[in-house]
Amino acid sequence: AQSVTQLGSHVSVSEGALVLLRCNYSSSVPPYLFWYVQYPNQGLQLLLKYTTGATLVKGINGFEAEFKKSETSFHLTKPSAHMSDAAEYFCAVSQTGANNLFFGTGTRLTVIP
Amino acid sequence: KAGVTQTPRYLIKTRGQQVTLSCSPISGHRSVSWYQQTPGQGLQFLFEYFSETQRNKGNFPGRFSGRQFSNSRSEMNVSTLELGDSALYLCASSLIGDRNQPQHFGDGTRLSIL
Repeated sequence: AQSVTQLGSHVSVSEGALVLLRCNYSSSVPPYLFWYVQYPNQGLQLLLKYTTGATLVKGINGFEAEFKKSETSFHLTKPSAHMSDAAEYFCAVSQTGANNLFFGTGTRLTVIP
Repeated sequence: KAGVTQTPRYLIKTRGQQVTLSCSPISGHRSVSWYQQTPGQGLQFLFEYFSETQRNKGNFPGRFSGRQFSNSRSEMNVSTLELGDSALYLCASSLIGDRNQPQHFGDGTRLSIL
């Protein structure tokens, strides 16, 4: 069975500060992991994904995430927060043998000017 | 290339009614998945269609159903609406529905039940 835990439903950072959003997964098989962002009144936009290969994954808008199997983690980072990064972020794992995603409960990021 | 299009964007219904939501996937995408998003339960998978066949189903009652047409467009139907069905319904498409491929989401249909 697959599941995702996102620690911290709300995270606030100052503009220009490091962004760190935490995600831990549970999977009985090698996971496929994703980070999505959702802006108000919009759908989900893919930031990045990990399937196989390099464990440090770079995504759009300066975000990256590192797959750490030993820690069952896939934390999302960005060196310098921008006001436009304020949104809700979802970590997801895909189900083995199927296409559907299991999502975490989301982390709302606030960027303070 | 046009993205995933969902219609309508907003819908208000009353308890006991039924509703049909529509999703047009990205051109060439054959897999369409539906998700329900609520403040209490978060994002939950409803079902996936591929080549007009339901390939996978989440843990929702039979009041929730869907179908896919030969052009890959999909509809989702909810019968006998309940207050708890108020949610944002998101549709996502991908090329062939392999889990290696990312799903592209529409902006959703916000359904409010009075």
